[in-house]
Amino acid sequence: AQSVTQLGSHVSVSEGALVLLRCNYSSSVPPYLFWYVQYPNQGLQLLLKYTTGATLVKGINGFEAEFKKSETSFHLTKPSAHMSDAAEYFCAVRIGSGTASKLTFGTGTRLQVTL
Amino acid sequence: DVKVTQSSRYLVKRTGEKVFLECVQDMDHENMFWYRQDPGLGLRLIYFSYDVKMKEKGDIPEGYSVSREKKERFSLILESASTNQTSMYLCASTVEEGYQPQHFGDGTRLSIL
Repeated sequence: AQSVTQLGSHVSVSEGALVLLRCNYSSSVPPYLFWYVQYPNQGLQLLLKYTTGATLVKGINGFEAEFKKSETSFHLTKPSAHMSDAAEYFCAVRIGSGTASKLTFGTGTRLQVTL
Repeated sequence: DVKVTQSSRYLVKRTGEKVFLECVQDMDHENMFWYRQDPGLGLRLIYFSYDVKMKEKGDIPEGYSVSREKKERFSLILESASTNQTSMYLCASTVEEGYQPQHFGDGTRLSIL
């Protein structure tokens, strides 16, 4: 069974600083990987996804993530944090397709951005 | 854009009541899902459905049931609500292909008193 680990339930950065949110997964087959963002009192919004091909994936709002198979990681980064980035971020893995395909989520990382 | 609509943003019910949470999607997606979200636990899958009248248990189905009579609508039912079912409930939908993301509704914050 696949699993997802997000290191750090809370991360605090200064405005303008690098954002790094960590995600490691376990899977015996090539996974599909996703990052979602959740703003207060809202549902989840897709930030970016990795399926196949280029391992560096660019998403919305200046975020990107790199799939590293050797490290089983899919860390999310943004060069310069903005106050509007404060939210909760979820990494998820989906393996397979069709009826057997489900998403497994990490427990989330809450990003705080300070002045 | 895909639209997933949950019927209520906030709901307050009493213990023992039968509670219905409704979800509608407008993109003809095959798969629909119900999750509950609790602090520190992330999202946990309750039930999912891959076709009309088809359903499968997720990781935490106890105390819940679901109904999918039409492709666009997926209902979550709390047969006899209990206080430990106070939570945020999220509905999602997607197509069959595994590389496609799930699309989420805005959630229903349910309080059981």
